[in-house]
Amino acid sequence: DTGVSQDPRHKITKRGQNVTFRCDPISEHNRLYWYRQTLGQGPEFLTYFQNEAQLEKSRLLSDRFSAERPKGSFSTLEIQRTEQGDSAMYLCASSTGEGDQPQHFGDGTRLSIL
Amino acid sequence: DQQVKQNSPSLSVQEGRISILNCDYTNSMFDYFLWYKKYPAEGPTFLISISSIKDKNEDGRFTVFLNKSAKHLSLHIVPSQPGDSAVYFCAAPLTLNFGKGTSLLVTP
Repeated sequence: DTGVSQDPRHKITKRGQNVTFRCDPISEHNRLYWYRQTLGQGPEFLTYFQNEAQLEKSRLLSDRFSAERPKGSFSTLEIQRTEQGDSAMYLCASSTGEGDQPQHFGDGTRLSIL
Repeated sequence: DQQVKQNSPSLSVQEGRISILNCDYTNSMFDYFLWYKKYPAEGPTFLISISSIKDKNEDGRFTVFLNKSAKHLSLHIVPSQPGDSAVYFCAAPLTLNFGKGTSLLVTP
């Protein structure tokens, strides 16, 4: 069990640039989730996939945010035209999706917007 | 709207004593709850869960209690150890509505 892997761990970019984060879930997990966490808050759900299907995306923060999971394995989260308010930790999690099986989280990508 | 609330941002406990972390929820349809533990610079790690058909679940030093009528759950850690110092989140299922977390400090 190699765990959930996220890349990069840190990203610093200028306001207005586009950024893309990658998440590799635990291999046998069908579900993949993206969260955002800001200081002093719990993780905030953004979107999730069942295999390659994106089943919930209404909670993506704006139309600048998009996520893909093209082959039902790894996923990418893209933020276009970044703003300073996008600075946060972006967490990915995966699960089997069965019953009450917990989600397993990666260590996140910390985004800093200059 | 926050469906899961942790009203205590921090808690300090002496080593060996009991730590009690509280969580309230609003949606009576939630059918199980989870507690996660988070160290700095790491992702949350699953700790323990409880189904709504139970009122208690125990795993070693960790016990979670669920009071459905009060829509309240609590995590008990006995005895507390310095390594338990972390932020603890309660969460409701599927899209994991997280509370804001309680930062636990266990002092020697």
